[in-house]
Amino acid sequence: NAGVTQTPKFQVLKTGQSMTLQCAQDMNHEYMSWYRQDPGMGLRLIHYSVGAGITDQGEVPNGYNVSRSTTEDFPLRLLSAAPSQTSVYFCASRAGGELFFGEGSRLTVL
Amino acid sequence: KQEVTQIPAALSVPEGENLVLNCSFTDSAIYNLQWFRQDPGKGLTSLLLIQSSQREQTSGRLNASLDKSSGRSTLYIAASQPGDSATYLCAVKDYGGAQKLVFGQGTRLTINP
Repeated sequence: NAGVTQTPKFQVLKTGQSMTLQCAQDMNHEYMSWYRQDPGMGLRLIHYSVGAGITDQGEVPNGYNVSRSTTEDFPLRLLSAAPSQTSVYFCASRAGGELFFGEGSRLTVL
Repeated sequence: KQEVTQIPAALSVPEGENLVLNCSFTDSAIYNLQWFRQDPGKGLTSLLLIQSSQREQTSGRLNASLDKSSGRSTLYIAASQPGDSATYLCAVKDYGGAQKLVFGQGTRLTINP
């Protein structure tokens, strides 16, 4: 049972480039979400999904897109990366009120 | 708007001591509260989940309490060990349509051998 798996663990982008952070969970959780963690700002919700085909915005959605075609996968897309998107990104899934996190993806935008 | 505060930001104690970490929240109408541990460069590991109807939860040397009326939760760690060194975060989930957890900034705990 792998839990929540994120790839890549590290990525460096140039301003304006696009990329996708992958997230997969094998616990059959309906709810999945993306957070970013920044020093002094704590963890903030970017987007979330309550099931396949359903997504919604969180606290800081601008600059990010998501889709949920399967229960297992919830990718986060940066269409045109900006330095302000330099952060550590965490994917999480939830069951019974308890949130389970992946190991994180550290993104640097130059 | 819910706000979660954890004080102190950092704590250093000798091995073997019992210690308490604090978490306060401004809106008492919470659905649940969850305590996490985060090691440097790693993700968050769930420690304890307390539902709004519960007063406390225990797991091994950890005990978390919840007092909604005063907007406080505490995480008690008994007989601390160097391996307990990490950042501890609490997060609350409100009732209603909001799906996000509101996180505190965390307490960075160091246990000295």
